[in-house]
Amino acid sequence: EADIYQTPRYLVIGTGKKITLECSQTMGHDKMYWYQQDPGMELHLIHYSYGVNSTEKGDLSSESTVSRIRTEHFPLTLESARPSHTSQYLCASNRGNSPLHFGNGTRLTVT
Amino acid sequence: GENVEQHPSTLSVQEGDSAVIKCTYSDSASNYFPWYKQELGKRPQLIIDIRSNVGEKKDQRIAVTLNKTAKHFSLHITETQPEDSAVYFCAASIQGNQFYFGTGTSLTVIP
Repeated sequence: EADIYQTPRYLVIGTGKKITLECSQTMGHDKMYWYQQDPGMELHLIHYSYGVNSTEKGDLSSESTVSRIRTEHFPLTLESARPSHTSQYLCASNRGNSPLHFGNGTRLTVT
Repeated sequence: GENVEQHPSTLSVQEGDSAVIKCTYSDSASNYFPWYKQELGKRPQLIIDIRSNVGEKKDQRIAVTLNKTAKHFSLHITETQPEDSAVYFCAASIQGNQFYFGTGTSLTVIP
């Protein structure tokens, strides 16, 4: 089934660790996005990509990086996790002027 | 960048009553306005959307109106049911790029 997949669903990690959140979509979308959301709260755009080898930063500086080497894959990396990074991270994708389709999210806790 | 404001932040209605959520946007170039429903612990799901060449759109109990001159759009839910209880987000986008979200409205439908 065409969908957008995020792994892991839950992650608890210590301060200073490097982590990568995975996002893959099988929907044939060219545009992909990362949002940060505290439960039930506003979604903040962290990074986005309009195609392979194209990445841009959003309005929220989260000290993270992304890469887009393959159309279907858009991983998010935190080089050094901090407690302030504790949140939910949502990956999304779309094509053209269509609506965003979201993954189930990764809930990150940094201790 | 775009700034989307959403009101109210919380809304309680009796089952069967109507609910209205309002959003304003700042960038006159925005031309696509989706609405998402997010149930507790789940990903945001598209419920209805409207494009700038249309003033109103309806889908069963849900309708959205758009006033481009005033830069505001609204979600109307009629005959509310307990399963309508969720957090609702409006968003604005230019041609399906860089979606900016409102701060969310927590709707509670009281049986």
